[in-house]
Amino acid sequence: AQSVTQPDIHITVSEGASLELRCNYSYGATPYLFWYVQSPGQGLQLLLKYFSGDTLVQGIKGFEAEFKRSQSSFNLRKPSVHWSDAAEYFCAVEDFGNEKLTFGTGTRLTIIP
Amino acid sequence: GAGVSQSPSNKVTEKGKDVELRCDPISGHTALYWYRQSLGQGLEFLIYFQGNSAPDKSGLPSDRFSAERTGGSVSTLTIQRTQQEDSAVYLCASSRGQADYTFGSGTRLTVV
Repeated sequence: AQSVTQPDIHITVSEGASLELRCNYSYGATPYLFWYVQSPGQGLQLLLKYFSGDTLVQGIKGFEAEFKRSQSSFNLRKPSVHWSDAAEYFCAVEDFGNEKLTFGTGTRLTIIP
Repeated sequence: GAGVSQSPSNKVTEKGKDVELRCDPISGHTALYWYRQSLGQGLEFLIYFQGNSAPDKSGLPSDRFSAERTGGSVSTLTIQRTQQEDSAVYLCASSRGQADYTFGSGTRLTVV
């Protein structure tokens, strides 16, 4: 079955430290890949998306993600986190020709001083 | 409008009552989606509209849930005879295609 897995439910990182959030997908072909962020009480904001081409994608707020076909992964990274990055992060895929998003269960990010 | 608008932002209802949740998409966006976000469940797809038609309603959890879209614009999600397990945040998104989704801020539904 097609699925999106975010193995880390909760991650705690010190302010200024680097961050990597993991995402793996199980689809036959390369789907469209997305990362969204959700602050408490807010909707989803798109950080970045990958369709094709360069496997390293730059997004907003200093985030980037790398698509690795061999590992079916699309991990999100940031070199130095800020307290304002504390939020819930969702990886999502759109299977080619199936116009809807399937989400992972999310990773909650806590930033400590 | 500038974004996807959902109303109400919060709704508390008694078990067994019917509720209607509204989504006003971005003007010109032909596709509209409803998702449900429950504690510990992540985001579940409910239904997808293309224009006024719903080619995919596979995520509606029971026949108590229904949705319609009129004029290719506003959509209403109706939950009949609400149950406590229906408590969740209901998110709406719209798209002009090309995997370009914009989400609303959601309606938080609490069934007491």
